[in-house]
Amino acid sequence: KNEVEQSPQNLTAQEGEFITINCSYSVGISALHWLQQHPGGGIVSLFMLSSGKKKHGRLIATINIQEKHSSLHITASHPRDSAVYICAVRSGNQFYFGTGTSLTVIP
Amino acid sequence: DAGVIQSPRHEVTEMGQEVTLRCKPISGHDYLFWYRQTMMRGLELLIYFNNNVPIDDSGMPEDRFSAKMPNASFSTLKIQPSEPRDSAVYFCASRLGGNGNTIYFGEGSWLTVV
Repeated sequence: KNEVEQSPQNLTAQEGEFITINCSYSVGISALHWLQQHPGGGIVSLFMLSSGKKKHGRLIATINIQEKHSSLHITASHPRDSAVYICAVRSGNQFYFGTGTSLTVIP
Repeated sequence: DAGVIQSPRHEVTEMGQEVTLRCKPISGHDYLFWYRQTMMRGLELLIYFNNNVPIDDSGMPEDRFSAKMPNASFSTLKIQPSEPRDSAVYFCASRLGGNGNTIYFGEGSWLTVV
């Protein structure tokens, strides 16, 4: 069993839709990261969370430490949001990665 | 700032050859990470350094892999001898220590071993 599970694996949405990507983890963590990998391969760190909620533009990330669950929300999705979104957690000196959610937003 | 700089961007090499990947972290960042990404296993952390000292290398797949950070502005990941299964994208990333600090990724080194 993977320490980090993401769902869904693939997601197709119409432009403007509200999108939610989920991440569950099974280890104690000190931080959780949401990463975005563009079709060209580059990776950008979107959020680092240890509690609560963060917002940046149309992106919102939440974490529930008790339930070991995090969600990444995209409001008013746009084709440029099409990417792979990866959840990663830090547990002690270890890092664990989800397999990613491939998002395609159709105009 | 120029961001995290990796070289080479692309490399094709024959199996058995030595491969050296290079990384220049963002100036002032005291953490440096090496990741590998493959279709089969996704993104994996290989090793990370804090203040030039390796903290955790448990992700390094085998003895053919080695990483060094001789100073705060340079790190190398070496594969010797390389094998076709080492073909992957290798990312370097850096961040400033402390909670809430963003991690910045390089553009990756795309390695193909034939």
